[in-house]
Amino acid sequence: AQTVTQSQPEMSVQEAETVTLSCTYDTSESDYYLFWYKQPPSRQMILVIRQEAYKQQNATENRFSVNFQKAAKSFSLKISDSQLGDAAMYFCAYRSNNQGGKLIFGQGTELSVKP
Amino acid sequence: DTAVSQTPKYLVTQMGNDKSIKCEQNLGHDTMYWYKQDSKKFLKIMFSYNNKELIINETVPNRFSPKSPDKAHLNLHINSLELGDSAVYFCASSQDLAGAIQETQYFGPGTRLLVL
Repeated sequence: AQTVTQSQPEMSVQEAETVTLSCTYDTSESDYYLFWYKQPPSRQMILVIRQEAYKQQNATENRFSVNFQKAAKSFSLKISDSQLGDAAMYFCAYRSNNQGGKLIFGQGTELSVKP
Repeated sequence: DTAVSQTPKYLVTQMGNDKSIKCEQNLGHDTMYWYKQDSKKFLKIMFSYNNKELIINETVPNRFSPKSPDKAHLNLHINSLELGDSAVYFCASSQDLAGAIQETQYFGPGTRLLVL
């Protein structure tokens, strides 16, 4: 069974600085999808970025980018120019192309942004 | 014009009661899901429906019964509520492409259930 691990329960960053959130996963599959979701205090789950495993190029979305290392099964999220609104819980998630499309989540990383 | 909506947002009830949570999506998606987020914020899949057909049932107690009257709705009914059922329940939806569920899942706002 696939597992997703986020080893940093909490992280802190100064406003305008850069922070990287770690995520590793375990799978025997070669084709899958990876996601980062953000959950602010409002508890809404917001998609930040997605990566298809068959794509070698790392995904980017404005200030958010990933470092996808398929062989190492690592999928870290880099947030550049951090803003106060980035403060939230961040979840890494794995989705197989099989298994009905369910998402398998990591434990989450609580990110705080200091002004 | 909310994409995935859930009602109610908050639900406080006594042990032993029966309650339902409703979910609706207006994205035209084929697949809908229920996830449970526990007190430690861990998210876990409960059920998934594709075109009104159950495709995932993740070892959830029989007290939980999902119902999909059409592909835009997926409701969750819980019988004989227990203290351990207290959690946030999220509905989500995604599009099924050529038989493979590959698209991003969009989440509803969540329903916070508190069982006293």
